[in-house]
Amino acid sequence: GESVGLHLPTLSVQEGDNSIINCAYSNSASDYFIWYKQESGKGPQFIIDIRSNMDKRQGQRVTVLLNKTVKHLSLQIAATQPGDSAVYFCAENVWTSYDKVIFGPGTSLSVIP
Amino acid sequence: NAGVTQTPKFQVLKTGQSMTLQCAQDMNHNSMYWYRQDPGMGLRLIYYSASEGTTDKGEVPNGYNVSRLNKREFSLRLESAAPSQTSVYFCASIPRGGREQPQHFGDGTRLSIL
Repeated sequence: GESVGLHLPTLSVQEGDNSIINCAYSNSASDYFIWYKQESGKGPQFIIDIRSNMDKRQGQRVTVLLNKTVKHLSLQIAATQPGDSAVYFCAENVWTSYDKVIFGPGTSLSVIP
Repeated sequence: NAGVTQTPKFQVLKTGQSMTLQCAQDMNHNSMYWYRQDPGMGLRLIYYSASEGTTDKGEVPNGYNVSRLNKREFSLRLESAAPSQTSVYFCASIPRGGREQPQHFGDGTRLSIL
């Protein structure tokens, strides 16, 4: 079936360390993946995306890796800061009769000062 | 530039009451979506509107209706609220067609049904 899951529901890291948030997806037809950040009381905010013809994409302090062989997606945050504390969602796009977006349950990242 | 604006931010209803959640975007986006977010379940699609004048069901449409009033506005209506509809509701939009583009979200409406 279709599912996007995260390996850990919570993650705590020291300020300044790198964070890695993992995501597994099951639909091999998915061709576009997005990471969102959601702060308390706010809506999800776009961080970075990657298309299925890529295996790595970098942004400012963030990197997304895509391994289509094992259907695995990860988000790496360099030099994690207190402002990075939030819930992070991965999402996959698969075309059915519409652009279906499947969201994972989220990983809560806590940054320890 | 406000992006996606949702009203109200909070609402408490009694079982059986009705209400309409409002959503407006000022980015000239074509496609709009309504999601609900429940603990441990991520975001689930209720209804979407690919373009002005069209609406379609998502994963969990039962108990809801929608109206795409114009290009800017997409409302979600609960005709007879039930406790199972207690949730946080998010509206989102995409510029055009939606292919390989991230969604822009509002800050949500927190709805409690007693």
